[in-house]
Amino acid sequence: GAGVSQTPSNKVTEKGKYVELRCDPISGHTALYWYRQSLGQGPEFLIYFQGTGAADDSGLPNDRFFAVRPEGSVSTLKIQRTERGDSAVYLCASSRGLGTEAFFGQGTRLTVV
Amino acid sequence: GESVGLHLPTLSVQEGDNSIINCAYSNSASDYFIWYKQESGKGPQFIIDIRSNMDKRQGQRVTVLLNKTVKHLSLQIAATQPGDSAVYFCAEPHAGGTSYGKLTFGQGTILTVHP
Repeated sequence: GAGVSQTPSNKVTEKGKYVELRCDPISGHTALYWYRQSLGQGPEFLIYFQGTGAADDSGLPNDRFFAVRPEGSVSTLKIQRTERGDSAVYLCASSRGLGTEAFFGQGTRLTVV
Repeated sequence: GESVGLHLPTLSVQEGDNSIINCAYSNSASDYFIWYKQESGKGPQFIIDIRSNMDKRQGQRVTVLLNKTVKHLSLQIAATQPGDSAVYFCAEPHAGGTSYGKLTFGQGTILTVHP
């Protein structure tokens, strides 16, 4: 595709439920990043992949959060036992390599009720 | 620790005026900075970047200035248009990091352009 695509655009879930957020990076981009953006704040880094492996997951807030990229392209961010504090916009970005510009998707707005 | 922050959370200008958005950083070892524009409901969009070996860099209607002495950078937008209304973030790679996608973002400045 022309840009980074994230699905769904919006997700409303009940507290305690499990959710999956999907990111389709720009074709050919080897690096993929996940960020979380709370209202009125800048994006906060969660995790990034170089190829299939998670190169740095230091931003994941706790073990309820997990992300995979099994074939080095599409990535899924998984959140278990969601809490109201998980409500935010989850952004995905991709880049050709680690030292190149990252392009962001439009984000998934997650609301936990 | 490192931090990237902004002086002014909001800026309101008239169409055609020049806009200046400021950002302060605390890590004197920072060597690369990026400005992003984020419109409502969209992800951040790259505007311009600058490396620490430069004081100034110009793009189309935008200029970034870097003052390493006081650890300050600014984004200047010439002839601001209503389409420039957005939140603007400065960002830098995490300290010691080699990835330009693993970034620390500032709080952001809301720019509103009145016709």
